Amino acid sequence: AQSVTQLDSQVPVFEEAPVELRCNYSSSVSVYLFWYVQYPNQGLQLLLKYLSGSTLVKGINGFEAEFNKSQTSFHLRKPSVHISDTAEYFCAVSETSWSNTGRRALTFGSGTRLQVQP
Amino acid sequence: DAGITQSPRHKVTETGTPVTLRCHQTENHRYMYWYRQDPGHGLRLIHYSYGVKDTDKGEVSDGYSVSRSKTEDFLLTLESATSSQTSVYFCAISDPKKETQYFGPGTRLLVL
Repeated sequence: AQSVTQLDSQVPVFEEAPVELRCNYSSSVSVYLFWYVQYPNQGLQLLLKYLSGSTLVKGINGFEAEFNKSQTSFHLRKPSVHISDTAEYFCAVSETSWSNTGRRALTFGSGTRLQVQP
Repeated sequence: DAGITQSPRHKVTETGTPVTLRCHQTENHRYMYWYRQDPGHGLRLIHYSYGVKDTDKGEVSDGYSVSRSKTEDFLLTLESATSSQTSVYFCAISDPKKETQYFGPGTRLLVL
């Protein structure tokens, strides 16, 4: 089984400032890692994912994340945020291997609400 | 955007009534999922399907059932709705080539 911890439930930040949203995970098996964004009253949109290879992953809207296996972390960063980045951000993991039923469901953290202030 | 629609988008119902939510995909993917989203919990898996008529339980399956008679449709049924099932429900499909799940727009359910 896996678990995901997002350490901050809310992160207020001023426009054009850098931001880091923290994510730690626990798993007894290899995992893939994801960040999703949810704008108000909308569904979830994939920001970026780590499957293999380079541990620094770049996503949409200028976001990036770094996979740190020893720290079991996958923190999300952006060097300069905009008002339009105000949203809720979810970190998630899934197993890398398919079970007999091909479950590969996502396990989510509780979310971090990013509030960008002018 | 992945071709996923959910219906209805909003529903208000009374305790004890049955409710069915529908997820429809145009991508022909084998794997489909139902999650519920609640404040402080993120999204939690209710049920999933790995093919037509092949379904299994997730972590929060009590009080829910599912059916999948066609590849494109995955139905979630609350047999007798309770106030604790007030939530936002998301359907997702899995693209195995991209190792990624894509989500529908959600259904906001209020059980009075």
